[in-house]
Amino acid sequence: AQTVTQSQPEMSVQEAETVTLSCTYDTSESDYYLFWYKQPPSRQMILVIRQEAYKQQNATENRFSVNFQKAAKSFSLKISDSQLGDAAMYFCAYRSARYGGSQGNLIFGKGTKLSVKP
Amino acid sequence: DGGITQSPKYLFRKEGQNVTLSCEQNLNHDAMYWYRQDPGQGLRLIYYSQIVNDFQKGDIAEGYSVSREKKESFPLTVTSAQKNPTAFYLCASSARDGGNTIYFGEGSWLTVV
Repeated sequence: AQTVTQSQPEMSVQEAETVTLSCTYDTSESDYYLFWYKQPPSRQMILVIRQEAYKQQNATENRFSVNFQKAAKSFSLKISDSQLGDAAMYFCAYRSARYGGSQGNLIFGKGTKLSVKP
Repeated sequence: DGGITQSPKYLFRKEGQNVTLSCEQNLNHDAMYWYRQDPGQGLRLIYYSQIVNDFQKGDIAEGYSVSREKKESFPLTVTSAQKNPTAFYLCASSARDGGNTIYFGEGSWLTVV
């Protein structure tokens, strides 16, 4: 079974600086998708960024980028120019690319709580 | 606007009662999901449905039931058999199983009183 591990329960960053959140996963599959979701105090899960495992190029979305190391099964999220609104829980998630059964469900890590200091 | 609507936002349940959480989506998504979130834990899958009139148990289905009579709707019933139902519940949907992104509703808080 696949697992997702976030080893940093809490992180803190100064406004305008850069922070990196870590995520590792375990899978025997070769084709899958990885996601970072943000959960602000409102508790709604918001997609931050998505990475297809077959793509070597790291995904980027404005100030958010990932460092995807497939061989190492590592998927870290870098937030540049941190803003107060970035403060939230961040969840790393894995999804199999295989169709059918439970393969397509998201498997979540336990999350990293990010604080942004003004 | 397209999206996933969960209701109610807050719900209180007395011991021995069944309660139903509503989830409606107008995204024309085939697959729908229910997750439970407890403090200090990530999201855990309760039930999922990939097509109308079909659904499957997730990791923590005991004490819960669902139905999928319409593509747009996937209600979750928390039965009296669920021993510790107090949690935050999130409904989600995706265009199809596999690589498409899963999108979430705003969630519902359930508290046992």
